[in-house]
Amino acid sequence: GAVVSQHPSRVICKSGTSVKIECRSLDFQATTMFWYRQFPKQSLMLMATSNEGSKATYEQGVEKDKFLINHASLTLSTLTVTSAHPEDSSFYICSATDHLKNEQFFGPGTRLTVL
Amino acid sequence: DAKTTQPTSMDCAEGRAANLPCNHSTISGNEYVYWYRQIHSQGPQYIIHGLKNNETNEMASLIITEDRKSSTLILPHATLRDTAVYYCIVRDTGRRALTFGSGTRLQVQP
Repeated sequence: GAVVSQHPSRVICKSGTSVKIECRSLDFQATTMFWYRQFPKQSLMLMATSNEGSKATYEQGVEKDKFLINHASLTLSTLTVTSAHPEDSSFYICSATDHLKNEQFFGPGTRLTVL
Repeated sequence: DAKTTQPTSMDCAEGRAANLPCNHSTISGNEYVYWYRQIHSQGPQYIIHGLKNNETNEMASLIITEDRKSSTLILPHATLRDTAVYYCIVRDTGRRALTFGSGTRLQVQP
């Protein structure tokens, strides 16, 4: 299947700092990527939809100024957690749609720990 | 997207077939049934999807009832590596985000 990568896989940062997570589609172009968040023992929750060349669409309750999304190319979307706090500690997962196959593929996830 | 109902957990013996049910009684005509699984601390993995007909690939088979109100994912020979949470998702297009429910936690026993 198609491959979606995320970097870094794990990051630990101090409270108040910003962290950038990259999501790449490696063998297909993705005009749309999605960012999810998953807390322990819970299911994935959609945070935002990232559209290449336009502004992201955020789900209700997700602060757009805190979670900055940039989708600068057809293979790369970035999520920046600004002024991170311990409650932002979570597993962040991106996905990208391969429109030719009508399938959505997920990255391996990034575990963020804010101290 | 139509709501789905799955059992919270299931056990299966290694080497045996794992049959994971999903109810989606409010599915509409243009909605597909997708199955993903998530192994602990990894991103979800696509397994299979279908509209009306039964589907099979190298990972699994998907059996959709004639009225499309339920489906079953079949892992023909479960291994310990198949232990994961399995999500059944119904939606009309691959272009929108997936809505994840609680899924079924499958434990394959040695």
